[in-house]
Amino acid sequence: GDSVTQMEGPVTLSEEAFLTINCTYTATGYPSLFWYVQYPGEGLQLLLKATKADDKGSNKGFEATYRKETTSFHLEKGSVQVSDSAVYFCALSGQGGSEKLVFGKGTKLTVNP
Amino acid sequence: DAGVIQSPRHEVTEMGQEVTLRCKPISGHNSLFWYRQTMMRGLELLIYFNNNVPIDDSGMPEDRFSAKMPNASFSTLKIQPSEPRDSAVYFCASSFYTGGETQYFGPGTRLLVL
Repeated sequence: GDSVTQMEGPVTLSEEAFLTINCTYTATGYPSLFWYVQYPGEGLQLLLKATKADDKGSNKGFEATYRKETTSFHLEKGSVQVSDSAVYFCALSGQGGSEKLVFGKGTKLTVNP
Repeated sequence: DAGVIQSPRHEVTEMGQEVTLRCKPISGHNSLFWYRQTMMRGLELLIYFNNNVPIDDSGMPEDRFSAKMPNASFSTLKIQPSEPRDSAVYFCASSFYTGGETQYFGPGTRLLVL
């Protein structure tokens, strides 16, 4: 079945450092890919998404490119801030047009001043 | 829009008691999802509805859990009887499904069963 694998955390960075969180997937067909972010004590919220190969999703300085050849959707940000501290989830839409999202286990990011 | 609304935000109960969690999806959305999040198991999909009809309940852990969606603007997740291992954060999410659509999450209900 469909699955998402993202890098184990936690990740700790200093402010203004470069961030990469790796995400690879296994899926049939052409799923949409998502990054969600969960701030402490809150629900998940969409950070960015891409719906087809080579699409780049971007938001709040974060970017991720849908790479079908490597089945990857790595999240990057050039300069992180303390306010980016959160848990980041990679996800894909279910196969066969299913409404279900398949989530990775999440990566906790802590940014120190 | 007010977003997905969940109540209560926090619930503390004793083992054996009935717990009812409530969710109001975003107006106009036709799909609704219930998730459970724990440190041990991460984020798990329990059940989801499309146009008020349960589509997939394979994630519901056991018969103690039940979910209903009597209309497009309201859903409940009930646990009866509750057990300490049910302690978790329960999220409701909604979407307008046309294929690969974004799910919008509520703030969650933090449940503690003593």
